[in-house]
Amino acid sequence: DVKVTQSSRYLVKRTGEKVFLECVQDMDHENMFWYRQDPGLGLRLIYFSYDVKMKEKGDIPEGYSVSREKKERFSLILESASTNQTSMYLCASSLGLGGRSPLHFGNGTRLTVT
Amino acid sequence: DQQVKQNSPSLSVQEGRISILNCDYTNSMFDYFLWYKKYPAEGPTFLISISSIKDKNEDGRFTVFLNKSAKHLSLHIVPSQPGDSAVYFCAAGNSGGGADGLTFGKGTHLIIQP
Repeated sequence: DVKVTQSSRYLVKRTGEKVFLECVQDMDHENMFWYRQDPGLGLRLIYFSYDVKMKEKGDIPEGYSVSREKKERFSLILESASTNQTSMYLCASSLGLGGRSPLHFGNGTRLTVT
Repeated sequence: DQQVKQNSPSLSVQEGRISILNCDYTNSMFDYFLWYKKYPAEGPTFLISISSIKDKNEDGRFTVFLNKSAKHLSLHIVPSQPGDSAVYFCAAGNSGGGADGLTFGKGTHLIIQP
């Protein structure tokens, strides 16, 4: 079974802080994704990566950056946290791109920015 | 512009009856569709998928129907069980090599009543 592990389940940060969310997958998947989930808005794609050191913007990349130095690890960075970034963040991985490869999600990190 | 729409935020069904969750999409490039199930404090888990070359896919109690002309798909759960109470996300993708992640709907909260 694919395991996607997010380093923190809950985080509380102050406005303006730099925040790192870490994600590791153990199935040698090429592709990794960061989504955020908000009530009434569903899951929205922030960034994804299809190879080491490669990244692509998703639908809502503003205020975020990512890093993928190793195949198994994909980090989401909030350069200067703001209260509107309070959300549930979900990391996922997949073997292939597009619709044919189901995403495997981690359990999420609930981030609160005060 | 919402490309994947789940117009029912919640649905209540009696245990043992059929649950029908609906999803509409607008992007004609989508050719693969998936349903995910999410419990609170957990990541979404893949449930079932369907390719646009089919109009039905069945897996145990779960069946997904696709009506391409109407750009509509539905998930049928029969019989509904208490453990089916969760948020269900419809997702769509393009298997033709597009480098995007999946596009998700906002979710439908299914409540199975005893």
